Amino acid sequence: NAGVTQTPKFQVLKTGQSMTLQCAQDMNHEYMSWYRQDPGMGLRLIHYSVGAGITDQGEVPNGYNVSRSTTEDFPLRLLSAAPSQTSVYFCASSRSKTFSGNTIYFGEGSWLTVV
Amino acid sequence: AQSVTQPDIHITVSEGASLELRCNYSYGATPYLFWYVQSPGQGLQLLLKYFSGDTLVQGIKGFEAEFKRSQSSFNLRKPSVHWSDAAEYFCAVGARVGNTPLVFGKGTRLSVIA
Repeated sequence: NAGVTQTPKFQVLKTGQSMTLQCAQDMNHEYMSWYRQDPGMGLRLIHYSVGAGITDQGEVPNGYNVSRSTTEDFPLRLLSAAPSQTSVYFCASSRSKTFSGNTIYFGEGSWLTVV
Repeated sequence: AQSVTQPDIHITVSEGASLELRCNYSYGATPYLFWYVQSPGQGLQLLLKYFSGDTLVQGIKGFEAEFKRSQSSFNLRKPSVHWSDAAEYFCAVGARVGNTPLVFGKGTRLSVIA
């Protein structure tokens, strides 16, 4: 039962480097999203997608890009890493666009440090 | 858009004592409501959710929550806390209309002392 799989789990980047956090789900979920978690801030939405080919911005999208070329995958790209992007990143998915009767599934998180 | 407030940043309770974690939301109608728990270094686990019907919701690990429309609240309770309940707890609100994803509160960290 893979569920939502995030890779890598830990990553250290230098300022200015780019990287991609991978997220894959095997539940045929339409809805996927990326959150970042910072101490005292809870989880804040970065980007989300309601289906293949459709993405939208969340609360804190600056410095991040996403694409949804397949239903299964929703990668998050850091274009030019900054220390302010040091955070824990969570990918989530849900079966449909609305939450009626559906559970949101979270990945185990990716710990990113930018030095 | 919906919003959620968890007024308590950190709560400490004795093992065996009762627990109540507060959650207040803002939304124009009845939202979908969730409580998640996060142990240190781990992801988020769903404790319980309210969609409709009975306003007292039972969850896993002995937790329950009560939806009170008049108070715009969805407080989490447990009658007797165990040391393993020490974790961070997040309340989340989902909109019934549109595609807006879940909005999370800032979390309440629970410490359990002997």
